[in-house]
Amino acid sequence: AQRVTQPEKLLSVFKGAPVELKCNYSYSGSPELFWYVQYSRQRLQLLLRHISRESIKGFTADLNKGETSFHLKKPFAQEEDSAMYYCALKTDKLIFGTGTRLQVFP
Amino acid sequence: GAGVSQSPSNKVTEKGKDVELRCDPISGHTALYWYRQRLGQGLEFLIYFQGNSAPDKSGLPSDRFSAERTGESVSTLTIQRTQQEDSAVYLCASSLASKNTEAFFGQGTRLTVV
Repeated sequence: AQRVTQPEKLLSVFKGAPVELKCNYSYSGSPELFWYVQYSRQRLQLLLRHISRESIKGFTADLNKGETSFHLKKPFAQEEDSAMYYCALKTDKLIFGTGTRLQVFP
Repeated sequence: GAGVSQSPSNKVTEKGKDVELRCDPISGHTALYWYRQRLGQGLEFLIYFQGNSAPDKSGLPSDRFSAERTGESVSTLTIQRTQQEDSAVYLCASSLASKNTEAFFGQGTRLTVV
């Protein structure tokens, strides 16, 4: 079965601290993985995709096929990073994890 | 052009009534997805369309839920005989069919069943 697991519902850090939001997936094929973000009162939007191997707003995510993980990382969190973060797996359909709320305190 | 548009933005309905939620995807996007987001919870997959066909309806919670899409464009999600547990934000997204493409989301319809 295709599944995305985000084990943490809430992650709280202070500004400047490193952040890692965990994501594990279950899929037997070649995965397409994404991170989406929802800031307060805004639409859900794409943050980054694994195929691009890009850094967006200081965030990076590396696909680890051996561990079936796609964790999102940022070395120094900022207050404006506070939001809901969703990991997503696209196969024939697009499924999401349950999300992790990141709170960055000043 | 315009992004994904959903209507209405808010809907309050009485228990037992039927409701129709509408999604206008981005023009040219062949893939269209519906999700339900209950308060404080994640995105629950309901159904997706490839063109006008729905290959996977497994996410629909019950036979009270149905969806259709016409002209590879607008989609409607219908909930019959609404129940209080149907109260949620219903999100629609669309994307191109090719690999690794971004899904664009609407602002959602907040449904409240009283």
